[in-house]
Amino acid sequence: QKEVEQNSGPLSVPEGAIASLNCTYSDRGSQSFFWYRQYSGKSPELIMFIYSNGDKEDGRFTAQLNKASQYVSLLIRDSQPSDSATYLCAARSNTGKLIFGQGTTLQVKP
Amino acid sequence: EAGVTQFPSHSVIEKGQTVTLRCDPISGHDNLYWYRRVMGKEIKFLLHFVKESKQDESGMPNNRFLAERTGGTYSTLKVQPAELEDSGVYFCASSQTGGLSPLHFGNGTRLTVT
Repeated sequence: QKEVEQNSGPLSVPEGAIASLNCTYSDRGSQSFFWYRQYSGKSPELIMFIYSNGDKEDGRFTAQLNKASQYVSLLIRDSQPSDSATYLCAARSNTGKLIFGQGTTLQVKP
Repeated sequence: EAGVTQFPSHSVIEKGQTVTLRCDPISGHDNLYWYRRVMGKEIKFLLHFVKESKQDESGMPNNRFLAERTGGTYSTLKVQPAELEDSGVYFCASSQTGGLSPLHFGNGTRLTVT
């Protein structure tokens, strides 16, 4: 079992729709979780992080964390073609390193 | 504020040769990480420095890989001798101290071993 699992996709949504990206993790000791976006050939860039159960909103993005279910998600409202990228979920271990999932490719169609 | 910089951006070498990758973290960031992404796979952790000390090197594949961070500033990752399976994109990241401090990534070095 991978430490952080994501559906590789591609996830295809129409422009203006809500994109829902999901992630599960195996280490119950993980305390904080990060979502990165990576465009092809570029470096991962941080979207947001979450460490408390519940929702955290930042603009069009909402991160959700459920520690009991070991589940993290990212919702993107009013999806735009420029949101098309690979979204990486990462869990922080107790040593500080981030453990990444394989990433979900999102395609937003005009 | 300058971001994390990596050099070179691309490197093509033959099997058996040596390559050295360099990473300059964001100024003031004590934590420096090396990651690698092999095509089709997830970004995998290699090593974590806190200042000049190796905090965690559990991800280093084997003894052909040597990472250093003399003086706690920039870091180098040397692969000697390179093998075909070492091909991939090597990312460096840095962060401040603290469990909620995000990692800031460099643009990566794309290594191709032929």
